[in-house]
This record gives sequence, C-alpha cells and structure tokens, in this order.
Amino acid sequence: RKEVEQDPGPFNVPEGATVAFNCTYSNSASQSFFWYRQDCRKEPKLLMSVYSSGNEDGRFTAQLNRASQYISLLIRDSKLSDSATYLCKAGNMLTFGGGTRLMVKP
Amino acid sequence: DTGVSQNPRHKITKRGQNVTFRCDPISEHNRLYWYRQTLGQGPEFLTYFQNEAQLEKSRLLSDRFSAERPKGSFSTLEIQRTEQGDSAMYLCASSPKTGVIDTEAFFGQGTRLTVV
Repeated sequence: RKEVEQDPGPFNVPEGATVAFNCTYSNSASQSFFWYRQDCRKEPKLLMSVYSSGNEDGRFTAQLNRASQYISLLIRDSKLSDSATYLCKAGNMLTFGGGTRLMVKP
Repeated sequence: DTGVSQNPRHKITKRGQNVTFRCDPISEHNRLYWYRQTLGQGPEFLTYFQNEAQLEKSRLLSDRFSAERPKGSFSTLEIQRTEQGDSAMYLCASSPKTGVIDTEAFFGQGTRLTVV
C-alpha cells in the first residue's frame, strides 16, 4: 500500500458547486497533515495544515478521520480560480499523494 | 525575498552531461528536501537533510544522483551522465524542525531540466 493515496480525478464541477476529495494515509502515527495546491507547471503551495481533527479557512475545510485514516478537503462555492491539482501529505512521511485534479467550469 | 530559492530555473542539457542544481532554503529551516516531478504526477521524494546530515534517500534513486548540504544551509543536487528520462521539474523544499510534530514544508519554484 502506498503511504499516501489520492483519487487522481479529474473532478469536473460547475462554478458554485461544493466538491470534496479524500486522501488516505498508511501510517497511523501521523499527527500532522497538509493540503497543497499546485497550478500547472508551478510549485506546490501550502493551502491548509491540519494538526487536530480539522481546520477551516473560508471556503475550504479539511477534516481528519483517524479511525479510517483519511483526510478530506471540502471546497464550497467553487470558483474558476480553484482549478488546480490538490496534493496531500502526512507530516511524518516524505511522500506526497499523486494529487487530485479539480476543474471548475463556468 | 525570504522564500526558498532554486537556481537555475531552467536547464537544457545534452544526454550524458552532468548538471548541478542549487537550493537555498528559508534561513531558519533546518530540514531540506529534494523532489522530482513529471507532468501529471505528484512530487516524487528523492532525498532529505536535517542540517548537514542526509537522513534519507529514495531507494529508487539512481547512483547517478547525489546531493549535498555541506554547511547545513544551501544544498546542491547533481545528476551525472544525464538521460532523457531525467527530464523533469526538480523541486526543493524546506521546513523547520520544531518539537515532535512535523510542520509544513515550503517549496522553491523548481528547476526544470530538459535532457536532449
């Protein structure tokens, strides 16, 4: 099993929709988790850090489910500018998930 | 600019040549990571340093790749005898080591390598 796994997508959603993706992790000892956003041919940029059960920042909510070992990212009221690839990482692991591609359409 | 800095931003080289990339991390960060990324894939871990010590190196990494961080500040990644399959974006990231919880890493803009 890979250390971190993500559904590659793409998730195609209309503007204004709510979309969620999950990231499963293999190491139950992980205590911190990160979602990064990556635009095409750019470097990953930190979107959100999760150190407890979850975190919320505006339209973005991350939830941690330790029992099932996954972390989710929820985006409400999707904007065209949210189109990107979303990468997840557990803090104590060196690998990233393969990324989930989101495309928000007008 | 106090972010992670990588040089060069782009490198085109002929197959068989050696190339070296440099990464300057955020100054107070003692952890430094190298990743490689190809289109449509997530970043692939190559190696990481805590201060000057190279603590882990990917088992998938060819012995043509070597990295150093001699004074615990900047790092270099060298690829010897480049192959076309080495064409990728090489990303450097850094993070602080604080307590027992691993914190987020911050990335440089990457070095895009094209081997022709």
